[in-house]
Amino acid sequence: GENVEQHPSTLSVQEGDSAVIKCTYSDSASNYFPWYKQELGKRPQLIIDIRSNVGEKKDQRIAVTLNKTAKHFSLHITETQPEDSAVYFCAATTGFQKLVFGTGTRLLVSP
Amino acid sequence: NAGVTQTPKFQVLKTGQSMTLQCAQDMNHNSMYWYRQDPGMGLRLIYYSASEGTTDKGEVPNGYNVSRLNKREFSLRLESAAPSQTSVYFCASSLITGGDTQYFGPGTRLTVL
Repeated sequence: GENVEQHPSTLSVQEGDSAVIKCTYSDSASNYFPWYKQELGKRPQLIIDIRSNVGEKKDQRIAVTLNKTAKHFSLHITETQPEDSAVYFCAATTGFQKLVFGTGTRLLVSP
Repeated sequence: NAGVTQTPKFQVLKTGQSMTLQCAQDMNHNSMYWYRQDPGMGLRLIYYSASEGTTDKGEVPNGYNVSRLNKREFSLRLESAAPSQTSVYFCASSLITGGDTQYFGPGTRLTVL
């Protein structure tokens, strides 16, 4: 079955810096890769996703890149703000199977 | 729309007690899920229901049972609670299983003494 590894487990940046979180997956058939953000005490919420027919997707300050050959995908946050502080989860699926989540990255953005 | 709702929000049980966590969604989604979240371990799937009338085990099903009561409701039962089941439980739903956005409920914080 699918296995997703996520790094780093914690990431501290200064406000305005960029942050990058990386995930690798094991199942070459996986074709859907969402990213969820979970603020303290809240539920996870989807922030961006990418499908395997696309190499990169952007939404304002957030972007996701996918390298199918290497089986890894990354979340990029530019011009970080304190409200970006949260736990971020990557996930992967073949599309007809259940999502498999990474173990999460705690991002702390200091003013 | 309320989205995904869960009850209760908090619960304290003694070892050996039983309880049922309730989940409902009003988005006409076919698939529903139960996860547990423990520090440093991310979201682990307990059980899921790809469609009304079906349920399947996830990564950590031992000690739990589920019921897909109808298209809207999916419950999780702990028959004999153990301290290892202390966790935050999230219900989620999606239009289809896998390649679709999952919408999460607010969570239930369960402590087993």
